[in-house]
Amino acid sequence: AQSVTQLDSQVPVFEEAPVELRCNYSSSVSVYLFWYVQYPNQGLQLLLKYLSGSTLVKGINGFEAEFNKSQTSFHLRKPSVHISDTAEYFCAVSDQGQGAQKLVFGQGTRLTINP
Amino acid sequence: SQTIHQWPATLVQPVGSPLSLECTVEGTSNPNLYWYRQAAGRGLQLLFYSVGIGQISSEVPQNLSASRPQDRQFILSSKKLLLSDSGFYLCAWRRRGGYTEAFFGQGTRLTVV
Repeated sequence: AQSVTQLDSQVPVFEEAPVELRCNYSSSVSVYLFWYVQYPNQGLQLLLKYLSGSTLVKGINGFEAEFNKSQTSFHLRKPSVHISDTAEYFCAVSDQGQGAQKLVFGQGTRLTINP
Repeated sequence: SQTIHQWPATLVQPVGSPLSLECTVEGTSNPNLYWYRQAAGRGLQLLFYSVGIGQISSEVPQNLSASRPQDRQFILSSKKLLLSDSGFYLCAWRRRGGYTEAFFGQGTRLTVV
């Protein structure tokens, strides 16, 4: 069964600084990977996804992530954050193939941007 | 375009009362459907998923059950709520095959008192 570990529960960053949110996954087969953002009391919005091809994936709001198969990681990065990026971020994994029905999430990382 | 509706947005229920949360999807057929629970500091826990009418997979033994009476309708239920059932419940759908992202509803905040 697949699983996801987000290594940091909280990340405080100053505005305009770069940020990296870490995500590691575990699976016995090839995977699809996703990053979502959640603003308070709302559902989840997709930031970006890796399905195949280039390991560097660009998403909305200036975010990008890099798939590293050997390290089983999918870290999220942004070169310069804004106050509006304050939210909770979730990494998720799904196995490929016909059994790819489950979408499993990590525990989330709360990103706080300080002025 | 596809949309997902989840209601109610907020619910306060006494311990021991029943629960029914409903989720419907529009604009697609044969979706995979999911129920997640988000408790404070615990991320998103997958509760149930369904790949078709009447087909329910349970991920965590608990006080809840799910049903899918129609292709685009997914219901989360309980006969008797516990305090530990409090949380933020999210419904989601994905296209059949699992190779795409999930699309989420706006969630239901359940408080059991």
